[in-house]
Amino acid sequence: DIQMTQSPSSLSAFVGDGVTITCRASQNIGNYLNWYLQKPGKAPKLLIYAASSLRSGVPSRFSGSKSGTDFTLTISSLQPEDFATYYCQQSSSPRAFGQGTKVEIK
Amino acid sequence: QVQLQQWGAGLLKPSETLSLSCTIYGGSFSGYHWTWIRQPPGKGLEWIGEISHTASTDYNPSLKSRVTISLDTSKNQFSLKLSSVTAADTAIYFCARVGRFGDTDPWGQGTLVTVSS
Repeated sequence: DIQMTQSPSSLSAFVGDGVTITCRASQNIGNYLNWYLQKPGKAPKLLIYAASSLRSGVPSRFSGSKSGTDFTLTISSLQPEDFATYYCQQSSSPRAFGQGTKVEIK
Repeated sequence: QVQLQQWGAGLLKPSETLSLSCTIYGGSFSGYHWTWIRQPPGKGLEWIGEISHTASTDYNPSLKSRVTISLDTSKNQFSLKLSSVTAADTAIYFCARVGRFGDTDPWGQGTLVTVSS
């Protein structure tokens, strides 16, 4: 099975900061990598699909990129509503999520 | 806009069978897969499995022996059964739609299932 290693597990940042979250796949998954945001008590929401495609309605400060088996989610300027937990998901079979990154206010 | 609403029993005893259903509003099964994902309290997300609109299934190997996902096209519903539950199966269970890239969207509201004697 393909393993996903997500880092960091948590980070603290100020409103307006740029942040980067990384997921590394244990083998080639092509572009089959998605990113989600989850707030406490809520279902996750899709942000990015196919490594770099922005879901309709998601602010353009979110972006995704790929380099080999490394995938990156970048938030260019954190807004108050962005403080949440972020998950990557590789979508080959069996599908699997990263461990999550909690983004907290500094 | 597609919405998913899920329901099912929230409290089970060890060895019982978990049973949840998810109704699709504003859309149909055609062209998508439909999935169940769970999240133990305070922990990360675990993919349980999914079913295509043609009823082919794919399950997490760690749960495969206990999981059945089925669909009822006449009711626009799909369902999850997980047998022989233990405390380790205590989690919030989500249903969701799966797109062409495995992108999961939208999600149901989640159902907390607690296994306790």
